[in-house]
Amino acid sequence: RKEVEQDPGPFNVPEGATVAFNCTYSNSASQSFFWYRQDCRKEPKLLMSVYSSGNEDGRFTAQLNRASQYISLLIRDSKLSDSATYLCVVSNTGTASKLTFGTGTRLQVTL
Amino acid sequence: EAGVAQSPRYKIIEKRQSVAFWCNPISGHATLYWYQQILGQGPKLLIQFQNNGVVDDSQLPKDRFSAERLKGVDSTLKIQPAKLEDSAVYLCASSSHGRVRPTNEKLFFGSGTQLSVL
Repeated sequence: RKEVEQDPGPFNVPEGATVAFNCTYSNSASQSFFWYRQDCRKEPKLLMSVYSSGNEDGRFTAQLNRASQYISLLIRDSKLSDSATYLCVVSNTGTASKLTFGTGTRLQVTL
Repeated sequence: EAGVAQSPRYKIIEKRQSVAFWCNPISGHATLYWYQQILGQGPKLLIQFQNNGVVDDSQLPKDRFSAERLKGVDSTLKIQPAKLEDSAVYLCASSSHGRVRPTNEKLFFGSGTQLSVL
């Protein structure tokens, strides 16, 4: 089983739609969780951290379910500029903090 | 604030040749990472440095890959000899978190080096 699993998509949605991405992780000792965004042929950039209580940043909402080892990202009122790959990232801390990336979910927002 | 600098931007080599990539992290960032991203996949950690020490190189193919960060600042990643399956984007990232780990590590990535092995 992969450490971090995501549906690769692509998700094709019209502008204004609400879309949700899911991510599961295998290591129950994982402590920190993030969503990164990667545009085509660009480097990944941090979109938001994911907290146990859930957190919101504008149109973006991230949630964590530790019992199910599940992370989600909800995007409301999708914009054309939201088209990108969304990477789920899990941090496993031991002797050193290690961030493991999922394969990413590709989103294409259309007119 | 200057970002993470990487060079070259692109590199095309033949299999069995050698290649080296260079990375200069954001000033003051103690932790430096090299990731390999194959087309259609997420970044895979190759090696992680804390200052000039290696803290994780468990996924580095040590028979052909090597990396160093001698002075705890910039770093080089070398492949010798290259194989076709090494074709990928090599991303360098840095972060400011140290041994006392906050719960909110933010990685800053460079633009990457796109390697094509023919």
